[in-house]
Amino acid sequence: EAQVTQNPRYLITVTGKKLTVTCSQNMNHEYMSWYRQDPGLGLRQIYYSMNVEVTDKGDVPEGYKVSRKEKRNFPLILESPSPNQTSLYFCASSPENQETQYFGPGTRLLVL
Amino acid sequence: DQQVKQNSPSLSVQEGRISILNCDYTNSMFDYFLWYKKYPAEGPTFLISISSIKDKNEDGRFTVFLNKSAKHLSLHIVPSQPGDSAVYFCAASLTGNTPLVFGKGTRLSVIA
Repeated sequence: EAQVTQNPRYLITVTGKKLTVTCSQNMNHEYMSWYRQDPGLGLRQIYYSMNVEVTDKGDVPEGYKVSRKEKRNFPLILESPSPNQTSLYFCASSPENQETQYFGPGTRLLVL
Repeated sequence: DQQVKQNSPSLSVQEGRISILNCDYTNSMFDYFLWYKKYPAEGPTFLISISSIKDKNEDGRFTVFLNKSAKHLSLHIVPSQPGDSAVYFCAASLTGNTPLVFGKGTRLSVIA
């Protein structure tokens, strides 16, 4: 089954404790991205990657890192999480034509 | 500066009637527009799209209309069904591998 998977789905952590949210797709898509969804703000892009070893900042990259060492994986790293990073995070992928993105199920993060 | 605006945070429609969701954009260079639907606890799913060279695209009960001069697009759902109750996001993109820009979403409730 073609899908985008994210882990974990739910995470509670404390300020400053490094964490990684994994994202994997099995559709051989070139393009992957991370979004956060917050009430009243919709979906905002954090980082995106157009291919292996190619990443770029989205609208709200501060406090996040990403890497794209393999085509299928695009982890999101929070080196020192803060409460304002409490949010719902979505990973997405798409073929070279990046308009039609396939989203993962989301990761709900709470930073205390 | 919000480039894609969905000014109605919510909309209630009776089952069987037409639902009209609206979206305005400010960047006249956008050339591709999409609608995504999101259910609670799931990632957004692609619904329908339209290229700027068209003014209408239809897929079953869903039709998207684009008015380039007014920088406005709308999604029509006819007839509306209770299963259509979800948050709908409008998104836009520029030619090439540039990030999608999403609106804040409109929550549609279809009442039986």
